[in-house]
Amino acid sequence: GAGVSQTPSNKVTEKGKYVELRCDPISGHTALYWYRQSLGQGPEFLIYFQGTGAADDSGLPNDRFFAVRPEGSVSTLKIQRTERGDSAVYLCASSLTPDEKLFFGSGTQLSVL
Amino acid sequence: RKEVEQDPGPFNVPEGATVAFNCTYSNSASQSFFWYRQDCRKEPKLLMSVYSSGNEDGRFTAQLNRASQYISLLIRDSKLSDSATYLCVVKTGANNLFFGTGTRLTVIP
Repeated sequence: GAGVSQTPSNKVTEKGKYVELRCDPISGHTALYWYRQSLGQGPEFLIYFQGTGAADDSGLPNDRFFAVRPEGSVSTLKIQRTERGDSAVYLCASSLTPDEKLFFGSGTQLSVL
Repeated sequence: RKEVEQDPGPFNVPEGATVAFNCTYSNSASQSFFWYRQDCRKEPKLLMSVYSSGNEDGRFTAQLNRASQYISLLIRDSKLSDSATYLCVVKTGANNLFFGTGTRLTVIP
């Protein structure tokens, strides 16, 4: 399909483990965003990429969270030493340019047991 | 203080009713404003942008009051398919979109 693709759709892990969440943006979209959404809350900004570089990572909660976008397309959000509080839906969004409409992927539901 | 505050809801309205949602934002330098719709267990999707002069898209009308830092969404002639969570979104700075917690709407037959 032509939309934003996120894998896996569900990830169950144990406390203390490392996880990687993948986002394939719409082809040609230079801007890529990661958000986290907890139950009953709106999406919370984590990090924004313009091309390959992280233009704004002010939303990352702590140094256990890291994201990369090495070739300016696919992005991976990495979480080390997962905690139960990390459980949430992780949403990726992309836009043609930073001023354009955002298209969201369907998210990865992360459950830390 | 949260960047964006919304009516918590839930709103349960009969088909055909008119319903209004409100939202306030804290940063007076905010530049762009949006309403997103999110269905249960789905991703948010842009419903409409909100312009200073107010704008309408079919049964949906959005208003912005910069002086009061207030945004509203009016839905006329509610349909069952309007049932969803409506997220107020404010863009502040170059790239940051701040989402409200959302207001849940259920339209009842």
